[in-house]
Amino acid sequence: DIQMTQSPASLSASLGETVSIECLTSEGISNDLAWYQQKSGKSPQLLIYAASRLQDGVPSRFSGSGSGTRYSLKISGMQPEDEADYFCQQSYKYPFTFGSGTKLEIK
Amino acid sequence: QIQLVQSGPELKKPGESVKISCKASGYTFTDYAMHWVKQVPGKGLKWMGWVNTYTGKPTYADDFKGRFVFSLEASASTANLQISNLKNEDTANVFCARGVNYGSGWFAYWGQGTLVTVSS
Repeated sequence: DIQMTQSPASLSASLGETVSIECLTSEGISNDLAWYQQKSGKSPQLLIYAASRLQDGVPSRFSGSGSGTRYSLKISGMQPEDEADYFCQQSYKYPFTFGSGTKLEIK
Repeated sequence: QIQLVQSGPELKKPGESVKISCKASGYTFTDYAMHWVKQVPGKGLKWMGWVNTYTGKPTYADDFKGRFVFSLEASASTANLQISNLKNEDTANVFCARGVNYGSGWFAYWGQGTLVTVSS
C-alpha cells in the first residue's frame, strides 16, 4: 500500500495568515493526489484534485502543488471558515489511501 | 443537483448484521462508480472499496474482504453496503462517495455519512 505521511498534525494560524500542509507519499504517484476539507460533523469536501486543480466552487485562496512524492496544500489568507481538518489522498494505486489529517485552528 | 443520501444511524450488537443504503440523484447512476469510506469518530479516513455501478462488480480493500458486501439496486439508483458478524471495531461513520468523473478516485460528492455503533 502507498503510505501517506501528512504534516503537521495540527496547526494554529491567525486570520489572514498563509498556511501550508504537506503530504509525502511512499512512492511516486504522478500527481494523482487530492486534498479534502472536513468540518466538524460534516462529510469531507474536495478542494484540489490532480495535485493542483481547484474543484469547482472552491475559493481561489486554496492551491495545491507538488510532484513525485511531495505535495502541498496552501491557504493564502486564513479565513474563519477554514477552521477544519484537512486530508490528502492518493488515487494512483489501489487501495486508495489517505493522510492522517491536519487539524487547522484559528489562533 | 447531485446528491447522495444515506440511511440513518444504526445501533447493533456484536455478531449482528447491518445494511447501509446510499441513494443517488441528479445524475445517471450507472455512469459513475460508487466508493465507500470508513471514518472512526475523531480519526482519519479509510477507503473500503468501490462498486462498478454498470456491471455490479465490487472491489474490496484487503481489510474489508469477507464480512463486507457492496450491492446495487440500480433501478432505484441505490448502492448498499452490508456488514455481517459485526465487531466493536466496526463502530464508525461510513460514507458513500462518487468521483469527479467515471474512473476517477477523487471524490467530489459524498453522502452525509451513516454512523454504525456496535455495542453489547
